[in-house]
Amino acid sequence: DAGVIQSPRHEVTEMGQEVTLRCKPISGHDYLFWYRQTMMRGLELLIYFNNNVPIDDSGMPEDRFSAKMPNASFSTLKIQPSEPRDSAVYFCASSRWATDTQYFGPGTRLTVL
Amino acid sequence: AQKITQTQPGMFVQEKEAVTLDCTYDTSDPSYGLFWYKQPSSGEMIFLIYQGSYDQQNATEGRYSLNFQKARKSANLVISASQLGDSAMYFCAMRGNQFYFGTGTSLTVIP
Repeated sequence: DAGVIQSPRHEVTEMGQEVTLRCKPISGHDYLFWYRQTMMRGLELLIYFNNNVPIDDSGMPEDRFSAKMPNASFSTLKIQPSEPRDSAVYFCASSRWATDTQYFGPGTRLTVL
Repeated sequence: AQKITQTQPGMFVQEKEAVTLDCTYDTSDPSYGLFWYKQPSSGEMIFLIYQGSYDQQNATEGRYSLNFQKARKSANLVISASQLGDSAMYFCAMRGNQFYFGTGTSLTVIP
């Protein structure tokens, strides 16, 4: 079975531009999580979905960040406008149920110049 | 409040020796899960091992075992017979009503 798929793997953009990160969870997994990892703050949970519905977005840093899950096999995390402090690795993870193991995608390394 | 504590920012171990990475947690939930992930320098997060709060026996997966002491709220990872490929960051995580990660321990295996 394919793992969690993320695209792009690397993204370099200029401040002020819109950035869209994409994620395809493992088939059959009802939970999808977006994380951000930086040296300063470690791993932070941004938002998670259950059956395509956002459950907790308290980790989303500000209104510039938005996430959607239009169907069970696709989710996006959008940053508009991007800022240099958004530079980080963004991970998507999925799990079958709330307390199950989360399986991570390879991550998207975002650099905002 | 911090939910997961990893007090060892860096550890060194000789190849073929065993090493224990510490993890303590804090929760009032009766049901929770404890996880360990490995993050090599390539960046991916690799699931290693899981322990449920009601599991009677310590979890084991190959060379990995989880030393679960519920009363002490600790969930230490033991890696036996260390290999050079074990050099990586290791994260302890807990699932209660939310998923919490520790700050990680950097393990270096010395040949």
